Amino acid sequence: KAGVTQTPRYLIKTRGQQVTLSCSPISGHRSVSWYQQTPGQGLQFLFEYFSETQRNKGNFPGRFSGRQFSNSRSEMNVSTLELGDSALYLCASSLNRGPGTNEKLFFGSGTQLSVL
Amino acid sequence: KQEVTQIPAALSVPEGENLVLNCSFTDSAIYNLQWFRQDPGKGLTSLLLIQSSQREQTSGRLNASLDKSSGRSTLYIAASQPGDSATYLCAVRQGAQKLVFGQGTRLTINP
Repeated sequence: KAGVTQTPRYLIKTRGQQVTLSCSPISGHRSVSWYQQTPGQGLQFLFEYFSETQRNKGNFPGRFSGRQFSNSRSEMNVSTLELGDSALYLCASSLNRGPGTNEKLFFGSGTQLSVL
Repeated sequence: KQEVTQIPAALSVPEGENLVLNCSFTDSAIYNLQWFRQDPGKGLTSLLLIQSSQREQTSGRLNASLDKSSGRSTLYIAASQPGDSATYLCAVRQGAQKLVFGQGTRLTINP
């Protein structure tokens, strides 16, 4: 069974540009969430999607957005890139049968974004 | 606001030793707690998940405990090996799929 797939693996952009990252969850998983990892702030929750709807959002500016498609694949977009957006962006998926169930989150290898 | 703290930030031990990693959280209203390992430049690998109603979980040489009332969890690694070298992260789940992570413990096992 294939794991969570994130593309591209590495990205280099310049300030002011925009970027789109892609995440394909494990087959059958309906929930996809995104996290930003930086050396200073650690891992921070960005947002979560379920059945094409954003269910939860972290404390990030509106430049960070996302969407989920009918096949559960998700994309994350960052507009007007800033130097501080340089980070490892991780996507996670889960079955999401409900909050009381034993659900692990499975993470992809991430996209390393460098903003110059 | 939930805060998760991991102590120590870094740990170096000789191969074969048993060791304990600590995780504390400020809000006991959690669904579960999950331990992950992360190798440099890679994603997270789930090690153990403890539901809020459980006290511990075991997988091979790993044992994780949870004391929700005191806001603490420990990850016990028995007979450590060089391949255990990685950063270990704990995360508590609050609402839907939102995880709040600690800063991690960077573990080095010396041959």
